[in-house]
This record gives sequence, C-alpha cells and structure tokens, in this order.
Amino acid sequence: DAGVTQSPTHLIKTRGQQVTLRCSPKSGHDTVSWYQQALGQGPQFIFQYYEEEERQRGNFPDRFSGHQFPNYSSELNVNALLLGDSALYLCASSSRQTSSYNSPLHFGNGTRLTVT
Amino acid sequence: AQSVTQLGSHVSVSEGALVLLRCNYSSSVPPYLFWYVQYPNQGLQLLLKYTSAATLVKGINGFEAEFKKSETSFHLTKPSAHMSDAAEYFCAVSAYSGSARQLTFGSGTQLTVLP
Repeated sequence: DAGVTQSPTHLIKTRGQQVTLRCSPKSGHDTVSWYQQALGQGPQFIFQYYEEEERQRGNFPDRFSGHQFPNYSSELNVNALLLGDSALYLCASSSRQTSSYNSPLHFGNGTRLTVT
Repeated sequence: AQSVTQLGSHVSVSEGALVLLRCNYSSSVPPYLFWYVQYPNQGLQLLLKYTSAATLVKGINGFEAEFKKSETSFHLTKPSAHMSDAAEYFCAVSAYSGSARQLTFGSGTQLTVLP
C-alpha cells in the first residue's frame, strides 16, 4: 500500500521563476493538503483540495495556487518565486469520509525547494 | 484560534535517560492533539494522538503523552532514550477552518541523544 508520494524530492530555482510540485495521496484518500515548512519551523497550512476544488486557504499569497485531478493527485504551483519561498513543501492526504478531528494526516517526504 | 506552544527548541539527553518534550495548547474547545516526529530529510510520522478516551496516550516507539486540562499541556515522554530517537518532534492541534480540517503545528523541538 503506497503512502503519500511527492516529486521531485529536491528542486533549485531562481528568483522570479515558477515551480510545480506534485503529490499522489495515499490509496483510498481523496483529500490533499499542502504545508510549507521553513527551516527551523513547524509546517504551515497552505491550502486543501477536495473534489478538485480549493476548500480552504491559509495565510499565503495568490502566488501559491494548486490543482487537484480526478485521480485525487494534486499540484502546488508557486509563481514569481522569492528567496523566502525556500522551504520543505509537504503534502498530506486524508479521507473525507472517515476524517474527523482526531484522524491523523498522512504526510509525504516532501519536496525541498531552494530559491537562489 | 487554536494554537500550540513547544517549550525548548533543542533538548539533549543521554542515552537511557528520560525524554520530556513540552507542549502547551490554547483552545476554547476540547482540543484534538497530536505528536509527530520528523527524521532528517523525511516527512512527518504520527507518534500518537489524544482522542479524549484516556488522558494517558501510548504511541509508537515507546513514547507516551499525558493530557492535563488543568495545565493545558500535552507533554511527550519516553522512559529511556535511544540513539534512534534523535529527530525533530512537533506537537499539533486539529481544527476545522470552514469545511477543511487542518493541523496547526508548534515550532518543533530538536531532540539530541548523547552516547
């Protein structure tokens, strides 16, 4: 049973460029959330996708956008990259049907983005 | 808004010693609390979760946490540290924002285990 998979594992971009990160949820999961983890900090919620729609967004600018496909996989896009966007980007999946307050999220290993 | 605070960004213990990682929460409703562990270059792995069924929660790898409402705490402990416990530990609280459930994490505690 494959867990949450993310690609690529590492990425180096230049300021002003655009980047796309990809995530495949755990089998049986239909909801994908994205988190940004800056160095030395805890993960911060970016947004969540369910039924191919953005359901909730954290305190992130519109430069951060996403998409969810019919097979539940998801992409995170970041435009006009800033140095401050350098971070580990984590994807987490869950099942809407079985999700409750105390259901854990399942995390992938993340994509390390470095902006130079 | 719900939040968690982790006291001590770095904790060092000797192998075989008690591990105590502190987490305090702020919540106007009964909190749903989690501890996650992150090994280098990896994602987050669930250690344990508080479900309100019991105040003492046992998790994986010998870790446990005690929910204390009077102290608004959910500290993580392990009786005897092992070298393999060296990692970063995050406390998190679950909440719904609109129709989406999200986790709010603390800033993390880096655990070093000394030989």
